Amino acid sequence: LAKTTQPPSMEAYEGQEVNVSCSHTNIATSEYIYWYRQVPHQGPQFIIQGYKDYVVNEVASLFISADRKLSTLSLPWVSLRDAAVYYCIVTDRAGNTGKLIFGLGTTLQVQP
Amino acid sequence: NAGVIQTPRHKVTGKGQEATLWCEPISGHSAVFWYRQTIVQGLEFLTYFRNQAPIDDSGMPKERFSAQMPNQSHSTLKIQSTQPQDSAVYLCASSLRGNGNTLYFGEGSRLIVV
Repeated sequence: LAKTTQPPSMEAYEGQEVNVSCSHTNIATSEYIYWYRQVPHQGPQFIIQGYKDYVVNEVASLFISADRKLSTLSLPWVSLRDAAVYYCIVTDRAGNTGKLIFGLGTTLQVQP
Repeated sequence: NAGVIQTPRHKVTGKGQEATLWCEPISGHSAVFWYRQTIVQGLEFLTYFRNQAPIDDSGMPKERFSAQMPNQSHSTLKIQSTQPQDSAVYLCASSLRGNGNTLYFGEGSRLIVV
């Protein structure tokens, strides 16, 4: 499993766009990038996944560098409810390993 | 869809007592995962089942911890002779295809051992 590196914390104001970076320099060709977030007193929640280029859904956008060693989760117009810990995970989509390994994530604080 | 249901949400137990935590996965999901979360260690994988069969228990402490999935509608995590260091939030998750990649988590069971 590729290891990931994220900034431990970030701060933003409501209405700002937030970009959370994740470095995965040893990512294998079979591996995909997944993002989860966890708000206090709840379990982690899946946000988005991608393999290359750019992925977007109703919650976030995911930009993946051409060499796939870096990905950036973009949250447009953050609100107070986006305050959470954001986890970047790299794993084989075939799920041969089954489990997901969570790192320490990035704690996003949102100020009004 | 009710999501993953975990009970109890909170449990306080005395040192040396047994604690059993229950998890009801989302109906139709074929895999169930157990994680433990503490401030110091973060989210740690414990074990998982696919189609009720144990697949990977590499994260389970070798002693006192056990997990079962007697049927497709629930799984249990049992901790015998609880110790203060077992205090944590225990999270259960289920997955539709059992590949572990898109997990749906419950709200967790907070265990406090005094």
